[in-house]
Amino acid sequence: GAVVSQHPSRVICKSGTSVKIECRSLDFQATTMFWYRQFPKQSLMLMATSNEGSKATYEQGVEKDKFLINHASLTLSTLTVTSAHPEDSSFYICSARNRRGGYEQYFGPGTRLTVT
Amino acid sequence: AQTVTQSQPEMSVQEAETVTLSCTYDTSESDYYLFWYKQPPSRQMILVIRQEAYKQQNATENRFSVNFQKAAKSFSLKISDSQLGDAAMYFCAYRSAKNYGGSQGNLIFGKGTKLSVKP
Repeated sequence: GAVVSQHPSRVICKSGTSVKIECRSLDFQATTMFWYRQFPKQSLMLMATSNEGSKATYEQGVEKDKFLINHASLTLSTLTVTSAHPEDSSFYICSARNRRGGYEQYFGPGTRLTVT
Repeated sequence: AQTVTQSQPEMSVQEAETVTLSCTYDTSESDYYLFWYKQPPSRQMILVIRQEAYKQQNATENRFSVNFQKAAKSFSLKISDSQLGDAAMYFCAYRSAKNYGGSQGNLIFGKGTKLSVKP
């Protein structure tokens, strides 16, 4: 199956700083990418959807100025958590969809963010 | 709006036995996809099985099979000959097959069922 990578896998940052998470589709062109947030023992919560070259569509309740998403190419999307606070600590998962692949959706391994 | 319900927060099965995880969903659409995803302790989401709503035949992938009851809006997952490696969170998910400006709908996940496998 197709591979989606995320970097970094773990990051610790201080409150007030910004952190960037990268999501790459390694062997296919991702026309659409998704960013999820997952709290311990809970399901995945969709934060935003982005199509290559377009602005991201954010889900209700997700602050677009805090969670900046850039889908600059067909293989790369980035999520930047700006002015991070301890409550932003969570597990962030990206996912990518390939139009040619019958809209199959592939998931990255996730990034654990800890804000101290 | 579509919803997905997994009524079993936790399940347990003896190794080599069979277990069934339940999932129900609510939708007014007729064309959609249903999925079961596995999330082991590594947190990597893995697609277990997929079902197209227009197909009457239940999907099967090796030891994994589904019981898709469209009228009842039920989509259960059966794991046969359970193995220790099957221990994980299992998420049922729904996705519309409607075309939204060139892309299909987003995945809607249930809350998950934690499966334990006893040796």
